[in-house]
Amino acid sequence: SSELTQDPAVSVALGQTVRITCQGDSLRSYYASWYHQKPGQAPALVIYGKNSRPSGIPDRFSGSSSGNTASLTITGAQAEDEAEYYCNSRDSSGDQVLFGGGTKLTVL
Amino acid sequence: EVQLVESGGGLVKPGGSLRLSCAASGFTFSTYTMNWVRQAPGKGLEWVSSITSRPGYIYYADSVKGRFTISRDNAKNSLYLQMNSLRAEDTAVYYCARDLYDSSAYYDYWGQGTLVTVSS
Repeated sequence: SSELTQDPAVSVALGQTVRITCQGDSLRSYYASWYHQKPGQAPALVIYGKNSRPSGIPDRFSGSSSGNTASLTITGAQAEDEAEYYCNSRDSSGDQVLFGGGTKLTVL
Repeated sequence: EVQLVESGGGLVKPGGSLRLSCAASGFTFSTYTMNWVRQAPGKGLEWVSSITSRPGYIYYADSVKGRFTISRDNAKNSLYLQMNSLRAEDTAVYYCARDLYDSSAYYDYWGQGTLVTVSS
């Protein structure tokens, strides 16, 4: 398929662990990258490749992949992690780029 | 410090044209693939177009193919998006974004965005 599917919303209690998933056929060929976006701000890269973090991203963020599913895990979620999270990858042809629809993470 | 600054957004009538610019600084612009990504009001992210560091490799989303043209001027450290035949559904904040490494689709730096509104 030519799309990436994310759950629209997920919630987590403060300090607990949450996993956000992204499904799509392209993920069998390409690693996803993950972005968070807070209201009024540009997206920011949090995970890319197999499981790499840009400098400045806390190590409570991690990524994994299996089959057609990529996952972003936040271990010990903090209040500041409340945001919209998007996955992306190249499509199966390699010529275009797909974004998931986004997951709104609420930290309770 | 890496900076990407978009400009050129505004209000345009359906069928009109607009040219967006993205001024890059703080890195060797000519060696990176650059991208445009848009976000309609209250909606998710949508990739629009990419241009590699080597001239000739250009890609477009199906939704803009034939109407939008991406280009770059490495001497001016600038990325452009010429948008023609604009439609209401093109209304969005347009971001330029840098590829972490060649055509990876890992976007490590983003501009603040420029708003394009297509309305009569």
